[in-house]
Amino acid sequence: SAVISQKPSRDICQRGTSLTIQCQVDSQVTMMFWYRQQPGQSLTLIATANQGSEATYESGFVIDKFPISRPNLTFSTLTVSNMSPEDSSIYLCSASGPGGYTFGSGTRLTVV
Amino acid sequence: AQSVTQLDSQVPVFEEAPVELRCNYSSSVSVYLFWYVQYPNQGLQLLLKYLSGSTLVKGINGFEAEFNKSQTSFHLRKPSVHISDTAEYFCAVSDFLCGGTASKLTFGTGTRLQVTL
Repeated sequence: SAVISQKPSRDICQRGTSLTIQCQVDSQVTMMFWYRQQPGQSLTLIATANQGSEATYESGFVIDKFPISRPNLTFSTLTVSNMSPEDSSIYLCSASGPGGYTFGSGTRLTVV
Repeated sequence: AQSVTQLDSQVPVFEEAPVELRCNYSSSVSVYLFWYVQYPNQGLQLLLKYLSGSTLVKGINGFEAEFNKSQTSFHLRKPSVHISDTAEYFCAVSDFLCGGTASKLTFGTGTRLQVTL
């Protein structure tokens, strides 16, 4: 299965700023996904990132707040824009493959 | 649309005792089922998955799960737990997985397994 390198692993950011999270996959994958895991909670899908088209956002998430890029089949970025303390979470990317799903190690974001 | 229910938010158990973590799902089509484990301050690790074939699936660390279509369940079991099994366990479902194309993975709310001496 694919291996995903996600960075940064953690960051502490001031409110009002933006952070871009990157995920690099070691093989070409069609579908990539971005999740948020708020403290003590499960994973919630933010959006599906497809190469060559705009990301598909889940209810409650909008492109202006979480812009996503997918320039090729091995790379994707998620930006958390105009951050507030409520955005403090772990953000994970995922890729699908023939046998299932692979996850990045996550980005632990703290907004102060 | 698919959904996953993990009824138990926390399961306390003594070391060497058996454990079952419950997972029920709903989906209008065929499903693919997964169990993930998340150790404290770590990422997600796949425990096991059901894609097709035998309904009894064996995973890593001595865990197994049984897919029961009639009861729409995919409960996770281990006959004898260890302190190191203390973690958060997530059940997840997708309804389409074909080569490089897949539907989104929907997660349950998680079950905290707490193993004590």
